[in-house]
Amino acid sequence: GAVVSQHPSWVICKSGTSVKIECRSLDFQATTMFWYRQFPKQSLMLMATSNEGSKATYEQGVEKDKFLINHASLTLSTLTVTSAHPEDSSFYICSARGQPGEQYFGPGTRLTVT
Amino acid sequence: AQSVTQLGSHVSVSEGALVLLRCNYSSSVPPYLFWYVQYPNQGLQLLLKYTTGATLVKGINGFEAEFKKSETSFHLTKPSAHMSDAAEYFCAVSDPYSGAGSYQLTFGKGTKLSVIP
Repeated sequence: GAVVSQHPSWVICKSGTSVKIECRSLDFQATTMFWYRQFPKQSLMLMATSNEGSKATYEQGVEKDKFLINHASLTLSTLTVTSAHPEDSSFYICSARGQPGEQYFGPGTRLTVT
Repeated sequence: AQSVTQLGSHVSVSEGALVLLRCNYSSSVPPYLFWYVQYPNQGLQLLLKYTTGATLVKGINGFEAEFKKSETSFHLTKPSAHMSDAAEYFCAVSDPYSGAGSYQLTFGKGTKLSVIP
């Protein structure tokens, strides 16, 4: 149980285009999901907390107009990187809130902007 | 504010040797503590967690960790390393009393474990 999937697992896009990443809870309902960014050989940086049916809460320094988060259902949250640039290339990981204090992580999405 | 310090960004052990990955935390309240493992180009997998109760917790793949409040530590150990243990390990902490934020995790910088045949 408690499986989280992400799609796509790997995407290449051209600079200036937008990319949407999906995060799904497959066998449970997730009222809260989290989006992280991970640079090579570094730890996870929390970008935003996404609550179903409400606006996401972004961490300081994260551009909410660039990283659009939508959590329209209890099993799906999406992250859209708008007008992507090479510096947005990174590994993006989502997670869903589980038991108290616990999160279930997706497998990650590798974004490369050329 | 909470913080996590993982001593040693890279640890190498011989196959069959003891694995010890160190984690110290800073928290104003008794925290929830976690160890996650990440294989290349993959998400994070929970190894074990401490919330309340017994301070020695056992996880998957033979790993265990002990919560020591007096030392603010939560070190991860495994008696005998296996080649498949080579991965990145992250210690994380959450504050169970922070209301809506109680599910947010603060991660350490990670420790890469290499296992030498």
